[in-house]
Amino acid sequence: EPEVTQTPSHQVTQMGQEVILRCVPISNHLYFYWYRQILGQKVEFLVSFYNNEISEKSEIFDDQFSVERPDGSNFTLKIRSTKLEDSAMYFCASSENSGNEKLFFGSGTQLSVL
Amino acid sequence: GESVGLHLPTLSVQEGDNSIINCAYSNSASDYFIWYKQESGKGPQFIIDIRSNMDKRQGQRVTVLLNKTVKHLSLQIAATQPGDSAVYFCASLKGGATNKLIFGTGTLLAVQP
Repeated sequence: EPEVTQTPSHQVTQMGQEVILRCVPISNHLYFYWYRQILGQKVEFLVSFYNNEISEKSEIFDDQFSVERPDGSNFTLKIRSTKLEDSAMYFCASSENSGNEKLFFGSGTQLSVL
Repeated sequence: GESVGLHLPTLSVQEGDNSIINCAYSNSASDYFIWYKQESGKGPQFIIDIRSNMDKRQGQRVTVLLNKTVKHLSLQIAATQPGDSAVYFCASLKGGATNKLIFGTGTLLAVQP
C-alpha cells in the first residue's frame, strides 16, 4: 500500500537553529499538509499546500515557518529559527484529489529543540 | 524535573468485547468526519469516515454513528483485539473553502487479553 514517508524520524537541534523536515507524499496525491502534535496534546493543523502554493495556514504557522515542494516528489517544512516550544511530533499528510478527501499521514518526525 | 503525564480518557475492554468510543464536536457547519487510530510512535491511520448526509457507516469490524442533532460521533469496534490498542481520534472538516482537519483530544483504548 502506498504511504507517506518522512525523514528524519528524530531531529535534535539547538534553539535558534534552522531545521528542515522532509516528506515524500503519495505519488498521485495533489494536496499536502503539515500537522504537529505536542506531547499529550491534540494534533494541530499547520498548513495545506496545493498547486505549488499555500492554500491555508494556521496561526501557528508564522513567518518562521515555510514549506516548499522543490521537486516532483518532496515536500518540506522549514523552521528558520527554532524555539523550545517548537518541540513536537510533526506529521506530513497528503490527499488525492480534493481537500475534503481522507488524509494519509506519515509516521512523523519528532523534533526536540534544546 | 517534573513530568507531565497524558490525561487522555481511557477505555479498557476485554479482548472479544465490543468497544464504543465517543466524540463530541462543536462546529455545526462540519460536514465530514473521520476516525483515526494512532499507535505509539506512529502517525494517525485512517479508519473510517462519514459525511454529514449519513448517520451510519460500516466498515470491517468498525461502525461510525453520527448524531448531528447533538453533535456527537461514535466509533464502534466489534470483537476488539489486542491489536486495536491505540489512541483513537475523531476529526472534523467544514466543507467549502477550508481543508483543515480539526482533531479531538483522543481516547486511549486498552484491550486486556
